[in-house]
Amino acid sequence: DTGVSQNPRHKITKRGQNVTFRCDPISEHNRLYWYRQTLGQGPEFLTYFQNEAQLEKSRLLSDRFSAERPKGSFSTLEIQRTEQGDSAMYLCASSLGRTFFRGMNTEAFFGQGTRLTVV
Amino acid sequence: GQQVMQIPQYQHVQEGEDFTTYCNSSTTLSNIQWYKQRPGGHPVFLIQLVKSGEVKKQKRLTFQFGEAKKNSSLHITATQTTDVGTYFCAGPGGNTPLVFGKGTRLSVIA
Repeated sequence: DTGVSQNPRHKITKRGQNVTFRCDPISEHNRLYWYRQTLGQGPEFLTYFQNEAQLEKSRLLSDRFSAERPKGSFSTLEIQRTEQGDSAMYLCASSLGRTFFRGMNTEAFFGQGTRLTVV
Repeated sequence: GQQVMQIPQYQHVQEGEDFTTYCNSSTTLSNIQWYKQRPGGHPVFLIQLVKSGEVKKQKRLTFQFGEAKKNSSLHITATQTTDVGTYFCAGPGGNTPLVFGKGTRLSVIA
């Protein structure tokens, strides 16, 4: 396991369709993050997991977005009824975090991202 | 939620000139991290600062964490074309361990 893996790398979908992305973090990392990035902007936080628990979800995230990390290993991000505004790069990152102190973190390793284009 | 603000948004420098980007928070940060993202790439971790007033160096890069732990800076001495990219600071925000600033995009003119 040499890094964070994301699949697919690219996804083109028609508006209204559902899409699902997968992230395989570094195996010993207990934290997994999802971010969205558009051109010229910083990574925008979507949600994060500590092991299998989803600890935080952005208030900006609509109900069309859902994420899971069923066994505390890989994670999936699903977008239902996609809209053109969902077009972006979706980045996954993983890190080691102290269980009882959310604020502390070790370095986060990012995957290559999944580029979503909604037409 | 809490955000970290970065300035400037863009910086164009001649090769060999110095470059500095600043990161500011309205509240005290327990730690701050810096990342670099090359064009077409993904963010790559550079460093983490934890202590008040901490200064760390990596070759031509100098990172500082303010005494009040509300601001940080990244300074590059004698920029090279390999320094091109966007530099992000990131820190805890609310219940989220890692919230990113909007970044400073550095262009280096050879």
